[in-house]
Amino acid sequence: ILNVEQSPQSLHVQEGDSTNFTCSFPSSNFYALHWYRWETAKSPEALFVMTLNGDEKKKGRISATLNTKEGYSYLYIKGSQPEDSATYLCASYSGGYQKVTFGTGTKLQVIP
Amino acid sequence: EAGVVQSPRYKIIEKKQPVAFWCNPISGHNTLYWYRQNLGQGPELLIRYENEEAVDDSQLPKDRFSAERLKGVDSTLKIQPAELGDSAVYLCASSLPTSGMETQYFGPGTRLLVL
Repeated sequence: ILNVEQSPQSLHVQEGDSTNFTCSFPSSNFYALHWYRWETAKSPEALFVMTLNGDEKKKGRISATLNTKEGYSYLYIKGSQPEDSATYLCASYSGGYQKVTFGTGTKLQVIP
Repeated sequence: EAGVVQSPRYKIIEKKQPVAFWCNPISGHNTLYWYRQNLGQGPELLIRYENEEAVDDSQLPKDRFSAERLKGVDSTLKIQPAELGDSAVYLCASSLPTSGMETQYFGPGTRLLVL
């Protein structure tokens, strides 16, 4: 993996469904991974900062895991609600903290 | 606490015209970032400041883009002359001194359309 890739690009789920998506990043020179949520017409909002292999973070119904050896992170949303509708961005820091690269995002639409 | 402020929120200009964007970071945040987000892409870092110093401007197209952060607070990003391909969202973010651990706080962005 040379770039930061996110999948799927977009996702529609029914209210109450649980969902997850993936961020893949270069595992060499890994330093940190950030997750952001970006609602339409608002500013991107930070969700998690993750640095250690095996890290798990949780914020309400949203959680994330990190595998630095294989270069991926999963974001999980349990019991999706319409207010979870947003684009979820991950950003990888590598080479110390000198280089930050964002993924293209996963656009989530939760249907009431 | 006030967030990152950006202006204008929207700008429509004709190609070859100049344009400038302004950013006021969160008070006390030494690090300031300018990003460009093209449609369907993730934000791409243009320049990062630590106080007044531009410590990473490797992705800034220096033939037409310039930025400044006088006094280490507010920052301005300028494009002169603008081209059709510059249509994008320009995001400003700030954080405490960078180590990769600090959360970036983003402004709402300026949506630029070049006709």
